[in-house]
Parts: sequence; structure tokens; C-alpha cells
Amino acid sequence: GQNIDQPTEMTATEGAIVQINCTYQTSGFNGLFWYQQHAGEAPTFLSYNVLDGLEEKGRFSSFLSRSKGYSYLLLKELQMKDSASYLCAVKDSNYQLIWGAGTKLIIKP
Amino acid sequence: IAGITQAPTSQILAAGRRMTLRCTQDMRHNAMYWYRQDLGLGLRLIHYSNTAGTTGKGEVPDGYSVSRANTDDFPLTLASAVPSQTSVYFCASSVDGANTGELFFGEGSRLTVL
Repeated sequence: GQNIDQPTEMTATEGAIVQINCTYQTSGFNGLFWYQQHAGEAPTFLSYNVLDGLEEKGRFSSFLSRSKGYSYLLLKELQMKDSASYLCAVKDSNYQLIWGAGTKLIIKP
Repeated sequence: IAGITQAPTSQILAAGRRMTLRCTQDMRHNAMYWYRQDLGLGLRLIHYSNTAGTTGKGEVPDGYSVSRANTDDFPLTLASAVPSQTSVYFCASSVDGANTGELFFGEGSRLTVL
């Protein structure tokens, strides 16, 4: 079966750096997405990786290793507004998105 | 620019009743999707449409139906609601179904079936 694993919850301190990991087992691979979802709101797009390596976008970076079935989202200079759930999703060989359950990130002052 | 609009935002429904969740987008996207989100689970695809006039079944289609009469609208119907359909429902769209671009989500419809 297809599976996306990510930690259920993480806690970090304001101003620090946090890395949220995502491992996947899917039938084929056509890209990996990270979305941010604040409580009670819709998911919003953060990043997309299809090739191995690091994609940097401001305070957020996303890394992909296709051979390891692994990605991480790196958040730097954490702010209180970064408290949210972070969803990892992989597009399989049929271009269907397979979603992880999300990682709830709690930022403490 | 509205993006994707869902209605209603929230609804309490008696089991056995019929319910239609509405979804409208103004981005002229070809592909539209309906997901449900439940605690502890990832978003699960109910139905999708890659273009107006076509629909397909997702991971959890039973008890739900959709139609795509035009590009903008993609309503989701629960023919006879059951308590297990209590969930938050998100409508989403993308430029096209095979595109590697992002999904745009509506604000969600919280449905409680008693």
C-alpha cells in the first residue's frame, strides 16, 4: 500500500530552527508537496520538490531524496505565526496526491 | 479574487437526510477535487474531475456523488447522510489533473451528521 509518515506533533522555540521529516512509500513518484494548515483553516501551498536536493524559499526550505523516499521541511527563525500543521503529500504514478496525516508544530515563546 | 468558495461553512444534519455541499471557483482551473479531513488521518480524496463533463472516484467515494456541468462548479452530494460522514470537507482546484502545480483549497465545510 501507499504510505506517508510524518511525526504527529513537534514543539520548538520562537527564533529557533525546526526540521519536519516525511518518509513515503508510493507507487511511483511525480513530486512532493508541503502545505501549511492553520487550525480551522484551509491548507496553503508551501513548496514543491521533484528533483533531489534543497529548495529554499525565504525562511522555509524543503529537501528531497528520492532514493531514500525522504523529505524534510526546514523552518528557520521561527515565529509564533508558524504554529500550524504541516502536511506532506506525494503525487504517485497516476498523479493522485497521497497525503500524510500532518505534523502539528507548536511554537513556544 | 475569491478563488474557491464553499457553502455552507458549517452544517448539522440528521442521519438519512440528503445534503449538497457547494463549491465554486473563479480561476478557470480544469481540475477540481473533494477531500475529507478527519483527525489523525491525511486528507482523503472523495471524487475528482479533471475537466468539465468528467468525474472520477477517489479513495473514499462510497456514499458521495459529484457532477461537473461546467468549469466553475463542483457540488458534492451525500444522498443519505450517515454519522461516519461527519468530517470537514475541502474542495480544491488545480490548473489541470496531471499538472505538478499546487492545489488551491476552499475554506472548508464542517459537517456533523447526527
